[in-house]
Amino acid sequence: ELKVEQNPLFLSMQEGKNYTIYCNYSTTSDRLYWYRQDPGKSLESLFVLLSNGAVKQEGRLMASLDTKARLSTLHITAAVHDLSATYFCAVALWGNYQLIWGAGTKLIIKP
Amino acid sequence: NAGVTQTPKFRVLKTGQSMTLLCAQDMNHEYMYWYRQDPGMGLRLIHYSVGEGTTAKGEVPDGYNVSRLKKQNFLLGLESAAPSQTSVYFCASSATGGENQPQHFGDGTRLSIL
Repeated sequence: ELKVEQNPLFLSMQEGKNYTIYCNYSTTSDRLYWYRQDPGKSLESLFVLLSNGAVKQEGRLMASLDTKARLSTLHITAAVHDLSATYFCAVALWGNYQLIWGAGTKLIIKP
Repeated sequence: NAGVTQTPKFRVLKTGQSMTLLCAQDMNHEYMYWYRQDPGMGLRLIHYSVGEGTTAKGEVPDGYNVSRLKKQNFLLGLESAAPSQTSVYFCASSATGGENQPQHFGDGTRLSIL
């Protein structure tokens, strides 16, 4: 059974700081997704990571994937208030359509 | 660009009542999904469809039924609502089921069962 764990589940930080959110998963997978959700809103796709060593960056966010360690990280550089949201990772079962989701990391960035 | 549209956005039901949630997508996507989101938890897949006329069970299918009679629509039904089904329901679609195709989400339906 595939399990996905995110940590931390809650993070409060100051603007300008750097931090990393971790996503661990329990069995082999061929792809991993990162999504953002603002309060009361829908989910927005951020990154799709398909292979070991994959790294993708968009603005102040950078995601990476280590399939051997079954670990993905979402790194925030010089955080700004607009990045406050809940971030989810979702992992696909190998060769399967279904995604298993982490519980989410609620990120609050204080001005 | 409408994308994925869910109807209704809010609903309050009494235990035992039935209702149908409608999801419509205008992106010509093959795959569609219904999830529920509960506080402090990630999304859990209820049912999904890989094409018109097909449906399959996800992680938490009990108490729900679905139909995909047209490619653009995916309906989620609650035959006899229970308080445990109080949740936010999200519909999503994707061009295919894997590779680099992310799922595109609707705005959600907030459902309360009294």
